[in-house]
Amino acid sequence: AQSVSQHNHHVILSEAASLELGCNYSYGGTVNLFWYVQYPGQHLQLLLKYFSGDPLVKGIKGFEAEFIKSKFSFNLRKPSVQWSDTAEYFCAVIGTGGSYIPTFGRGTSLIVHP
Amino acid sequence: SAVISQKPSRDICQRGTSLTIQCQVDSQVTMMFWYRQQPGQSLTLIATANQGSEATYESGFVIDKFPISRPNLTFSTLTVSNMSPEDSSIYLCSVMTDNSPLHFGNGTRLTVT
Repeated sequence: AQSVSQHNHHVILSEAASLELGCNYSYGGTVNLFWYVQYPGQHLQLLLKYFSGDPLVKGIKGFEAEFIKSKFSFNLRKPSVQWSDTAEYFCAVIGTGGSYIPTFGRGTSLIVHP
Repeated sequence: SAVISQKPSRDICQRGTSLTIQCQVDSQVTMMFWYRQQPGQSLTLIATANQGSEATYESGFVIDKFPISRPNLTFSTLTVSNMSPEDSSIYLCSVMTDNSPLHFGNGTRLTVT
């Protein structure tokens, strides 16, 4: 069975600070990895995804994530956060050799102070 | 990407009643899922809605409590039956097609009093 762990449950930053949110997964085979964002009062939106190829993927709004297979990690980064990045961030994994059902981490609440 | 319309967007219901949530997609999709997101928690998969057959439920969820229909490749419903306050949550429809990531509807915010 696949699982996802997000270690940072609550993160508080000031504008212009750098961000890194941790995501580790557990699955024995090939995976597709995702980060989703949920802004206050809005629905979940895809931030970025990794299927194959370059392990460093770039998403919308200046976010990027790096897939490190040896560490089973897919950490989300942004060099300089903005107040508008305040949101919930969810990491998700799909084990491609299994049932193709996504599993989500419990989420990280990010608050950016102006 | 698929556009998902979910109705109602929110509702307040009395204990013991049932609510049916509708999910309409603007294109045919391979897989449809129903998730629950409780306050401050992650998304929990309730079931996979299978077109033309019974839904596949995850551990802890049963058909009698959460009956699901999927009559075609663009539509599904989730019913929350015999509701109790513990069912207060956001219910999310999501879809996935071959080689595309999961897309979500806006969700239904349910409050049971």
